[in-house]
Formats: sequence, structure tokens, C-alpha cells
Amino acid sequence: EVQLVESGGGLVQPGGSLRLSCAASGFTVSSNYMSWVRQAPGKGLEWVSVIYSGGSTYYADSVKGRFTISRHNSKNTLYLQMNSLRAEDTAVYYCARYMPDSYGGYFDYWGQGTLVTVSS
Amino acid sequence: SYELTQPLSVSVALGQTARITCGGNNIGSKNVHWYQQKPGQAPVLVIYRDSNRPSGIPERFSGSNSGNTATLTISRAQAGDEADYYCQVWDSSTYVVFGGGTKLTVL
Repeated sequence: EVQLVESGGGLVQPGGSLRLSCAASGFTVSSNYMSWVRQAPGKGLEWVSVIYSGGSTYYADSVKGRFTISRHNSKNTLYLQMNSLRAEDTAVYYCARYMPDSYGGYFDYWGQGTLVTVSS
Repeated sequence: SYELTQPLSVSVALGQTARITCGGNNIGSKNVHWYQQKPGQAPVLVIYRDSNRPSGIPERFSGSNSGNTATLTISRAQAGDEADYYCQVWDSSTYVVFGGGTKLTVL
């Protein structure tokens, strides 16, 4: 059974840093495309970042240069390092498996999410 | 950047058919995917590549995509279908794009 479990969320001051983790089971993270998607309170879904099985990474413009996606193959875990955090980064962060197809791709499995609150 | 437009809300009578639209420039040339999100829960994929249902999704859920509009259709709507629904596509400039979401109310 595929399972994704996020952790690492919490309260952080503006300008601070936080690292989110997403432990996967039922499949191999390094053999798949993995992504982070966030949702601000009461708002819609916003894609954040993706890491390809080959290691290439891509980011939304809103987080480029501040966030870094990575993975630990032996731990079968995905990470999101978030630096220079802003109030507008406050959101529930979901990790999700991204299935590529002929024209892009879609998210077939999602974690339960972890809440990040940026506030002084 | 590519934008997807969804109605903020759609209402449907119990047992009737709900249609949720997702508008975008020439969206018919893209693969459209749909997610259901209930309050306090993670999104769930209900339709992928315009009209395909993942395992475990009822046949009542179907999708279509043509021209500038993609549509998620929910037949014989049930109270348990009340949720927010999001469409999603891939775009070469912004990578992954989500629609703003539609709140489905079953009356």
C-alpha cells in the first residue's frame, strides 16, 4: 500500500527556515517523480516544486531561490528545505507522487499534509 | 502564464447530475486532471487524462475535454460528493497549474 507521511511543520518567524520531510512506503521515491503542493488557509492548491527520478528539480516562481527539494534514497524520504520564509508561505504542505504522462502529469498519491505557519 | 478558470460554486440536487467546468485557452490540447478535496483532508485524484478514473473511483465520475473547456461530470450526486474540486494541467512555462477550485453543494 502506498503511503506518504509528512512531518516537520510548525511555527517559524519571518526570515526563518524549516525543513519538511515526507516518508514514503509502498514504492521507491528515487524511481518516481515527487512533488510538493501547498494550500494556504481557505485557499486553493498551489504547486511548489518537483524532483524527477533523474534528479532534475523545478520550482514555482514564488519559491525559487528560497526552497530546495531533495531526497534521501536509502531513507526513501523526500524533503523540502524552506529558507527566508515569509508570511505568505503559511500553508498546509502536501507531498505527492507525480505521474508523468504524454503531456505533463498528475498527482496520484498525496500525504495528509503538514502545517507551516510563518508569523512573529 | 497559463490560467484555469473554475466557477466558485456549483449546486446540485441529490440524485441529479453535477457538471463542473474548467476553462483555459485551448485546454482541449492538454491533459486535464481532477481532484476532490473534502474538508480537512488531502486531495484525491478522481479523473486523470481528461476522462480516466483511478481504481476505486465510482463510475458516476466522468470527464471530458474539448476546445476551451474541460468538464467533470458527477452523475446521481450523493451527499458524500460534497467537496471542493480542482482541475489541473501541465504548462511549459509554469509547469503545474491548478484551477481555483469549485465548491460542490448537494441539496
